[in-house]
Amino acid sequence: GDSVTQTEGLVTLTEGLPVMLNCTYQTIYSNPFLFWYVQHLNESPRLLLKSFTDNKRTEHQGFHATLHKSSSSFHLQKSSAQLSDSALYYCALSDQGDNQGKLIFGQGTKLSIKP
Amino acid sequence: EAAVTQSPRSKVAVTGGKVTLSCHQTNNHDYMYWYRQDTGHGLRLIHYSYVADSTEKGDIPDGYKASRPSQENFSLILELASLSQTAVYFCASRDRGSEQYFGPGTRLTVL
Repeated sequence: GDSVTQTEGLVTLTEGLPVMLNCTYQTIYSNPFLFWYVQHLNESPRLLLKSFTDNKRTEHQGFHATLHKSSSSFHLQKSSAQLSDSALYYCALSDQGDNQGKLIFGQGTKLSIKP
Repeated sequence: EAAVTQSPRSKVAVTGGKVTLSCHQTNNHDYMYWYRQDTGHGLRLIHYSYVADSTEKGDIPDGYKASRPSQENFSLILELASLSQTAVYFCASRDRGSEQYFGPGTRLTVL
């Protein structure tokens, strides 16, 4: 079945350094939708980025990601981390068949930014 | 902006008691979901529904029932609450091919 893998459970960085959170996926469908959600402490997850176009960079709130179907990846990046970026980040997949409407979530990566 | 509301926002229940968590969405979305989130774990899907009067089991359905009496409302029922069901519960809704919108969450403590 479909799956999403986020290899890092915890990423700790110093403010000002670049951020990269990894996301790879598996699906038999050729046109997946990929999403990044962010969840700040004591809040609910909210959408950060989404894409279904191969090799096209999508950006929002200083973060960017590019869907690469050749490598089944959708890594999240930011050029310079801010303290306010500390949060839990989820990568999620929806396939062409829409999997009965379910999004497949990765395990999440906790990003901790230190001053 | 999509609107998903949950009630109650916080609840303390006794072991063995019945708990009902409610979710309401005003976006005409077909799909609705219940997740739980525990410290150290990600989001885990309990039940979901893609049409009124029908529910489906998610990845961790044991100990939970769900009810979708209308397109707008989706409830999660714990018939016999247990200590292990202490968690934060999120409801979400979405349309086919779109992103998912989460409610604010319900913090459930079972004593």
